[in-house]
Amino acid sequence: GAVVSQHPSWVICKSGTSVKIECRSLDFQATTMFWYRQFPKQSLMLMATSNEGSKATYEQGVEKDKFLINHASLTLSTLTVTSAHPEDSSFYICSARIGEGSYEQYFGPGTRLTVT
Amino acid sequence: EDKVVQSPLSLVVHEGDTVTLNCSYEVTNFRSLLWYKQEKKAPTFLFMLTSSGIEKKSGRLSSILDKKELFSILNITATQTGDSAVYLCAVVYGGATNKLIFGTGTLLAVQP
Repeated sequence: GAVVSQHPSWVICKSGTSVKIECRSLDFQATTMFWYRQFPKQSLMLMATSNEGSKATYEQGVEKDKFLINHASLTLSTLTVTSAHPEDSSFYICSARIGEGSYEQYFGPGTRLTVT
Repeated sequence: EDKVVQSPLSLVVHEGDTVTLNCSYEVTNFRSLLWYKQEKKAPTFLFMLTSSGIEKKSGRLSSILDKKELFSILNITATQTGDSAVYLCAVVYGGATNKLIFGTGTLLAVQP
């Protein structure tokens, strides 16, 4: 149980284009999902908290107009990187929490984004 | 500023050795501490620790939390090459959203 999937697993795009990453909880409903990014040899940095049916909460320094998050259902959250630039190249990982009072987060396999 | 610090940053051992990984934290409104193992992709959950002094065990791995001294350790006994990974410590803190703040990780390499 507690499986989280991400799609795509890797993507290469040209500078200036937009890329959408999907995060799905496969066997449970997740009212809250989280989006992280990880640079090589660094730890995970929380970008935003995604709540089903409401606006995402972004961490300080994360541009909400650049990283659009939509949590349209209890099993799906999407992250869209708009007008991507090479500095947006990174490993993006989502996680989902099973219940409101739960502390454990289960992570998706990640998406490697390369912007050329 | 909330922070989680892990040590050592990296460690090289031989199969059969025992290793201890450290995690110290300073956060407001501490809720729980989690350990994850990250190989090539996303982290996989190992332990969640909420109370001091209660050891959690899973096979050759064990972990304990000290809320007075604000640290946790992860022990791995009889290490195997499959234990090679980055071990991440994360602390649940804050309000209703129960966010995680991650440490920098410890890179463990187990040599045959």
